[in-house]
Amino acid sequence: DVKVTQSSRYLVKRTGEKVFLECVQDMDHENMFWYRQDPGLGLRLIYFSYDVKMKEKGDIPEGYSVSREKKERFSLILESASTNQTSMYLCASRELGGSTEAFFGQGTRLTVV
Amino acid sequence: QQQVKQSPQSLIVQKGGISIINCAYENTAFDYFPWYQQFPGKGPALLIAIRPDVSEKKEGRFTISFNKSAKQFSLHIMDSQPGDSATYFCAASTGGSYIPTFGRGTSLIVHP
Repeated sequence: DVKVTQSSRYLVKRTGEKVFLECVQDMDHENMFWYRQDPGLGLRLIYFSYDVKMKEKGDIPEGYSVSREKKERFSLILESASTNQTSMYLCASRELGGSTEAFFGQGTRLTVV
Repeated sequence: QQQVKQSPQSLIVQKGGISIINCAYENTAFDYFPWYQQFPGKGPALLIAIRPDVSEKKEGRFTISFNKSAKQFSLHIMDSQPGDSATYFCAASTGGSYIPTFGRGTSLIVHP
């Protein structure tokens, strides 16, 4: 059974903290994505990566950075957490070539207080 | 910016009824149209997908209807059940793009 695993289901962090969200996939996929999901706004792309050490900004990259040192792992970093970054964060992966299924992790519910 | 417009934002149906969710797109290069189902507290998962060489695809109670000329596709859920209550996302992508484009989602509630 293919898997995308996010390291935490729930996180509570304080304003100003540096936050790391980890994602690991076991499908040898080239493409990996970080989305945030908010009510009424759907899935908004933060960053994506199409290869190791390669990254591209998505629609809402401000306040975030990413790291992909290994093919199976894609990390999302909140440099200085703020309350408006309270959200559900979803990691996804997909094989190279756009016309294929994306596989999602179970999500991380982040609350910044 | 590539967009997929999804409607309605929310939908309430009675058990046994038909649920219909619609999506429209602009980019004629899209060649893969999946629907994802997301239960509360879970990530989205592929429900059913279609490619533009067919006009309809059916899997159990779930059917995608695809209208290439109108650049529209829809999800029909026949005999809707309370267990179908979830958020549904349509999406579209091309072979030449890394990024799938998602609709904003439809929250479906099926009343017993």
